[in-house]
Amino acid sequence: GENVEQHPSTLSVQEGDSAVIKCTYSDSASNYFPWYKQELGKRPQLIIDIRSNVGEKKDQRIAVTLNKTAKHFSLHITETQPEDSAVYFCAASRGDDKIIFGKGTRLHILP
Amino acid sequence: DAGVIQSPRHEVTEMGQEVTLRCKPISGHDYLFWYRQTMMRGLELLIYFNNNVPIDDSGMPEDRFSAKMPNASFSTLKIQPSEPRDSAVYFCASSFLQGGGYTFGSGTRLTVV
Repeated sequence: GENVEQHPSTLSVQEGDSAVIKCTYSDSASNYFPWYKQELGKRPQLIIDIRSNVGEKKDQRIAVTLNKTAKHFSLHITETQPEDSAVYFCAASRGDDKIIFGKGTRLHILP
Repeated sequence: DAGVIQSPRHEVTEMGQEVTLRCKPISGHDYLFWYRQTMMRGLELLIYFNNNVPIDDSGMPEDRFSAKMPNASFSTLKIQPSEPRDSAVYFCASSFLQGGGYTFGSGTRLTVV
């Protein structure tokens, strides 16, 4: 089955700097890669996703990139703000409805 | 739409007792998923349904866990008997797209003492 590895597990960046979270997946048939943000005590919420026919997608300060050959995908957050502090999960699915999540990255934005 | 609704929000129970968690998916969503979240294991998929039919229950930890979806607007996850190691946050999520993003409920925080 699919296995999603995510790193780093914890990331601290100065406010205003960029943050990058990286994930790898094992199933070459995976074709959908969502990212979720979970604030403390709250539910995971979808923030951006990318499908395998696209190499990059942007939405304001966040962007995702996908390298299908290497089976890598990444989340980039620019001009980080205090409200970006949260746990971020990458995930992968091959379109058979089941999404497999990485273990999460705890992002701290330092003042 | 009120989103995915889970109840109760918090549950504290004694070891050996039966626990039932409830979920109402978003109307029109025909996929429903149950996840368990712990610090050690992250988000684990327990079981998911499509059109009320269980599709994959390979993540259900053991026979003490069971899930049902009697109709399109309601699902339950039952633990009987409960054990302290079952303490976790249990999330329900629903989706209408095959391979699409999920909408999660607020979760049930279960504590078994």
